[in-house]
Amino acid sequence: RKEVEQDPGPFNVPEGATVAFNCTYSNSASQSFFWYRQDCRKEPKLLMSVYSSGNEDGRFTAQLNRASQYISLLIRDSKLSDSATYLCVVTASSNDYKLSFGAGTTVTVRA
Amino acid sequence: SQTIHQWPATLVQPVGSPLSLECTVEGTSNPNLYWYRQAAGRGLQLLFYSIGIDQISSEVPQNLSASRPQDRQFILSSKKLLLSDSGFYLCAWSVNAQPQHFGDGTRLSIL
Repeated sequence: RKEVEQDPGPFNVPEGATVAFNCTYSNSASQSFFWYRQDCRKEPKLLMSVYSSGNEDGRFTAQLNRASQYISLLIRDSKLSDSATYLCVVTASSNDYKLSFGAGTTVTVRA
Repeated sequence: SQTIHQWPATLVQPVGSPLSLECTVEGTSNPNLYWYRQAAGRGLQLLFYSIGIDQISSEVPQNLSASRPQDRQFILSSKKLLLSDSGFYLCAWSVNAQPQHFGDGTRLSIL
C-alpha cells in the first residue's frame, strides 16, 4: 500500500465553482501535513500546511481527519489560475526530513 | 529572502555518460538540502538529503551520488547514467525539516 494516495483526477470544474478532494495516508503516526501545488513541468510550491483543527487561506480550506487518516483540500470560487496538480504531503513528525508525496490530483478550471 | 538556484534546466545525455547537477541556496545559513526525482505521473522520491557540509544521507540505492562541498551547495552526480535515470530532478532546501522549498528542477533525458 502506498504511503500517500490521491485520486489523480482530473477534476474539471467551471470558473467560480467549488472543488474538493481528499488524500489518504497509511501511517497512523503521521504528524505533519501539507498541500503543495505543481504546475505543468514546474517545481512544486508550498500551498499550505494542514493543522489539526483545519485551516483556511483565502479561498483554500484544508481539513485533517486523523480517525480516518485523510486530509482534504477545498477550493472555493475557482479561478482559471487554480488549474494545477495538487500534491498531498505527509510526514511522521515535524522533525522528519523524509516527506511522503502523493502522486497528485489534477484540477482543471475552465472558463 | 532565500532563493534556490538549480541548473541546468534541461539536459539530454547518452547512456553511460557522467552527470553533474548543481544546486545553490542564497539568503540562509546551514540549510537542509535535498535531491528528489519525479517520474512522470508519480510522486516525488527522495534521493539524498544533507544537514551539513559533507553530511549526506542516501535514501535509495542507485548509481547516483550526492556531495555538499560548501554550506549552500549540493551536487548530484553519476559516473554512468542508465536509461532509468531519466526524470525530473528537484533540489530543495529547508531551515528545519519542513516545509521544503524547491528549485526550478532539471529535466533529464537519457538516450
